[in-house]
Amino acid sequence: GAVVSQHPSWVICKSGTSVKIECRSLDFQATTMFWYRQFPKQSLMLMATSNEGSKATYEQGVEKDKFLINHASLTLSTLTVTSAHPEDSSFYICSNGGGTTGARETQYFGPGTRLLVL
Amino acid sequence: GENVEQHPSTLSVQEGDSAVIKCTYSDSASNYFPWYKQELGKGPQLIIDIRSNVGEKKDQRIAVTLNKTAKHFSLHITETQPEDSAVYFCAEGGAAGNKLTFGGGTRVLVKP
Repeated sequence: GAVVSQHPSWVICKSGTSVKIECRSLDFQATTMFWYRQFPKQSLMLMATSNEGSKATYEQGVEKDKFLINHASLTLSTLTVTSAHPEDSSFYICSNGGGTTGARETQYFGPGTRLLVL
Repeated sequence: GENVEQHPSTLSVQEGDSAVIKCTYSDSASNYFPWYKQELGKGPQLIIDIRSNVGEKKDQRIAVTLNKTAKHFSLHITETQPEDSAVYFCAEGGAAGNKLTFGGGTRVLVKP
């Protein structure tokens, strides 16, 4: 199946700084990628849909000015957590969805990025 | 909106026994139902999926059944092994593009 990578795998930052997380679709040209957040012992919550060449679509309650998403190429989507605060500490996971031939149901997930904001 | 309920939240089984996890969903337009296994500190891994045009699918020790009328689907793991210990998530999709809505997860512990 498709392979998705994320970088970094973990990051520790000070409150108020910004953190960028990269998600790469390694063997599939993804026009759509998804960003999820997962708190300890909880399920995955969809944050936003990243669309190649256009604006991301955010889920209700997710601040688009705080979680900046850029999907500039068919293999790379980035999530930037701006002015991070301790409550943003979480496990961030991306997945690839639709490709150049249209929407694809099957989603493959990256290994996740653990963010700790001090 | 879409809602997926998953039970049980925790499941402890003896090695070699079977494990069954059940999920119910609310959106009748849903037509895609994947199951993911997540090990500690890792991303979810797709283990099996089923589409609404079939009622059952099997892959070695793993099987999934779907009852569209009742809006529920189940994961069956037979001959469980310690390496099956993980958190399992069901999900549903197809009703809203290719978005997935996840269940709350089941923590499975296989005791040797």
